[in-house]
Amino acid sequence: GDSVTQMEGPVTLSEEAFLTINCTYTATGYPSLFWYVQYPGEGLQLLLKATKADDKGSNKGFEATYRKETTSFHLEKGSVQVSDSAVYFCALPNQAGTALIFGKGTTLSVSS
Amino acid sequence: NAGVTQTPKFQVLKTGQSMTLQCAQDMNHEYMSWYRQDPGMGLRLIHYSVGAGITDQGEVPNGYNVSRSTTEDFPLRLLSAAPSQTSVYFCASSSLPNTGELFFGEGSRLTVL
Repeated sequence: GDSVTQMEGPVTLSEEAFLTINCTYTATGYPSLFWYVQYPGEGLQLLLKATKADDKGSNKGFEATYRKETTSFHLEKGSVQVSDSAVYFCALPNQAGTALIFGKGTTLSVSS
Repeated sequence: NAGVTQTPKFQVLKTGQSMTLQCAQDMNHEYMSWYRQDPGMGLRLIHYSVGAGITDQGEVPNGYNVSRSTTEDFPLRLLSAAPSQTSVYFCASSSLPNTGELFFGEGSRLTVL
């Protein structure tokens, strides 16, 4: 079945470092892909999305490119801030379109 | 803008007790869902609804009931709580057909002793 695999965390970085969080997926066809972020004590919120192959989603300095050749949707940011400390989830819709399938989440901790 | 509102935020139950987690949204979304979040497991879908009067099971529905009598509300009922139901529960909604663009509540942390 469809699935999402994220790199294990936690990821610990210093402020202004470059961030990559890997995400690969298994799916039938070319579904939309999503990154969600969960700040401490809060619910998840949509960070960015891509709806078709080669699309690049971007928001708040984060980017991810939908690569069908490698079935990947890696999240990147050129210069992280302390305020980016959160848990990041990669996700895709199930085949019926009735739910999201989430990765297990990657915890990012940024220190000043 | 309230968005998705969940109550209570925290709850402690004893094994065998029942309770209802409330979820309300004010965005007129057709789609609503309940997830549970456990360490190392990500989020797993419990139940979902695509409109009033329509509900269906997700990945982990056992021990939970839902109903959808109005567009706004989607309560989750635990019939006889078990320690395995200790978790953080999230309600989420979206407009159809964009079920990937979910709006989440702040979560309800449930502990079953």
